[in-house]
Amino acid sequence: SQKIEQNSEALNIQEGKTATLTCNYTNYSPAYLQWYRQDPGRGPVFLLLIRENEKEKRKERLKVTFDTTLKQSLFHITASQPADSATYLCALPTDSWGKFQFGAGTQVVVTP
Amino acid sequence: GAVVSQHPSWVICKSGTSVKIECRSLDFQATTMFWYRQFPKQSLMLMATSNEGSKATYEQGVEKDKFLINHASLTLSTLTVTSAHPEDSSFYICSARDRKYNEQFFGPGTRLTVL
Repeated sequence: SQKIEQNSEALNIQEGKTATLTCNYTNYSPAYLQWYRQDPGRGPVFLLLIRENEKEKRKERLKVTFDTTLKQSLFHITASQPADSATYLCALPTDSWGKFQFGAGTQVVVTP
Repeated sequence: GAVVSQHPSWVICKSGTSVKIECRSLDFQATTMFWYRQFPKQSLMLMATSNEGSKATYEQGVEKDKFLINHASLTLSTLTVTSAHPEDSSFYICSARDRKYNEQFFGPGTRLTVL
C-alpha cells in the first residue's frame, strides 16, 4: 500500500489569504487523486478529483495540482474564509472498484 | 449530489453488547459499499468492502467475525460490531458507490462509544 503524508500540524491562516496543503505519496502514481473536506464529527465530502494527465484542476476558490514526478499533490484555497476551516484529506485509489487509501488530513483554521 | 445516510449517528453501549449500524443510499442504487473506521486525529481506515448479494471482503487485520457486514439490498448495508469492547470505540463511516455513475458518496458517520 501507499504511504500518504499530509502535514499533521494545523495550518492557521488569516482570512483572505491562500492556504496551501500538500499530499505526498511514496509508491506508484495513481490514475487519479481526490481531495475531501471533513468537518468535526462528520463524514468526508468530496471536493475535487484530478487525473494523472492533468496538471491542474480548479473549482471556484479551490485549485489542485498533481505532479507525478514529485509524487505530490498541492491543494490551494484562495481568498480563504472562516467557513473554510475544516480538515482536508487527500485520497488515492487502491483498485479500480472504489477502494481508497486516505491521508490523515491537515486541519485548516481561518481566522477573521 | 447523492445522499448516504447512517443510523444511528451516535450510540453508547456497554462492553460485551452488539451494535448494528445502518448505511443507506437514499436516491441511488449502490452495488458496493465501503466501511471505514476513524480514530481521533487519524485517517480513515478501510475495514471492508460490501457487495450486494455476496460476502463482504475484509481488509487485513479486520476480524470478520467481530465486524459482521450484511448488504441485503442495493440501498442498504449494515455493520454489526459484536461483543463490543472499549477499544472498538471509534467513528464508523460508510460510503456507497453509485451503480449508474460510478461515483462514491460518504455517509455522515456513526460515533460508537463502548463503556
